[in-house]
Amino acid sequence: GNSVTQMEGPVTLSEEAFLTINCTYTATGYPSLFWYVQYPGEGLQLLLKATKADDKGSNKGFEATYRKETTSFHLEKGSVQVSDSAVYFCAPATNDYKLSFGAGTTVTVRA
Amino acid sequence: DGGITQSPKYLFRKEGQNVTLSCEQNLNHDAMYWYRQDPGQGLRLIYYSQIVNDFQKGDIAEGYSVSREKKESFPLTVTSAQKNPTAFYLCATRDRAQETQYFGPGTRLLVL
Repeated sequence: GNSVTQMEGPVTLSEEAFLTINCTYTATGYPSLFWYVQYPGEGLQLLLKATKADDKGSNKGFEATYRKETTSFHLEKGSVQVSDSAVYFCAPATNDYKLSFGAGTTVTVRA
Repeated sequence: DGGITQSPKYLFRKEGQNVTLSCEQNLNHDAMYWYRQDPGQGLRLIYYSQIVNDFQKGDIAEGYSVSREKKESFPLTVTSAQKNPTAFYLCATRDRAQETQYFGPGTRLLVL
């Protein structure tokens, strides 16, 4: 089945800093790829997704590009805010519509 | 108000007791999922249902049971056979032929 390796956290940044969270995966074929975000005490929210190679997903200033050659889907944001403090999960989809989740990366942004 | 409702927000279980977590949706989605989240870990799939009256085991189904009698509802029972039930439980739904899953707010289960 699919597996996901995410950059280990926690990651602590100052406001307006650049954020990168690495994600690589193993999968059969070319799965759709997702980033979800979880704020403290809440469920997961879809942040962005990409469905085929070279697609770029983007939302709320976050971006990630589907890299087939390196089986990666790294998340980036150019200037983080305190409100971006959360846990971020990378998840490829399987061919039967299930998701495989990484361990999550905790991001803390300080004012 | 559309969406996914999970109740209760917090649930306490005594030793040897079965408890049931509720998940209700009004999104008209066909598929529903139950995940378990432990501190510092990703989500693990417990059970899922692609259609009413049908469900399949996920990766960690032992000690859990589900039913899918209505499209809107997918309750999860944590049985006494689940020896380490303390966790955050998340329900998700998915529309047919779409891959995106949408999550409820979660239920935190604690053992007394």
